[in-house]
Amino acid sequence: AQTVTQSQPEMSVQEAETVTLSCTYDTSESDYYLFWYKQPPSRQMILVIRQEAYKQQNATENRFSVNFQKAAKSFSLKISDSQLGDAAMYFCAYRPTLPYSGGGADGLTFGKGTHLIIQP
Amino acid sequence: DTGVSQDPRHKITKRGQNVTFRCDPISEHNRLYWYRQTLGQGPEFLTYFQNEAQLEKSRLLSDRFSAERPKGSFSTLEIQRTEQGDSAMYLCASSLGGTLSVNQPQHFGDGTRLSIL
Repeated sequence: AQTVTQSQPEMSVQEAETVTLSCTYDTSESDYYLFWYKQPPSRQMILVIRQEAYKQQNATENRFSVNFQKAAKSFSLKISDSQLGDAAMYFCAYRPTLPYSGGGADGLTFGKGTHLIIQP
Repeated sequence: DTGVSQDPRHKITKRGQNVTFRCDPISEHNRLYWYRQTLGQGPEFLTYFQNEAQLEKSRLLSDRFSAERPKGSFSTLEIQRTEQGDSAMYLCASSLGGTLSVNQPQHFGDGTRLSIL
């Protein structure tokens, strides 16, 4: 079974600074997807960024970027120029790639989350 | 695009009662997922549908839980004989996918918070 581990229950960063959230995972699959989701206090989960395991290039979305180390099974999220609106729970998630014949395990496996605090 | 809609937002019930939640996915999405999230934890996968077919169920989905998606649009999640441990946020998500399509990300609703007295 796949597992996702987020070892930082809480992180704090000054506004405008850079912060990195850690995530490691365990899988025997060679092809899969990794995601970072943000869950603000309003509770709706919002996709921040995703990475396909077969791609060596790290994904970036504006101020958000990842450091994907497949051999180490590590997938960290870097937030640059932190803003007050970035304050939220951040969840790392894993999902195997579906076989083209259809079916298979399609549910996301989430870590326990990291609570990000932005200090003004 | 109205997003994923869940109803009700909050449900308080006594232990032993049955409850039913509804999820309306994004209209063009053929896949629908249910997750459970307890306080301080990440969401845990329960089950998912592609159109009206329930393709996967987690071991977390005991026989007291049943999910349906009869016409491939909205879905319901029913919990029978509720227990204290069922108190959680129940999240619904939807996505667009198919046998040959690239996996699209899942979009989540606001969730239904269940409290068992």
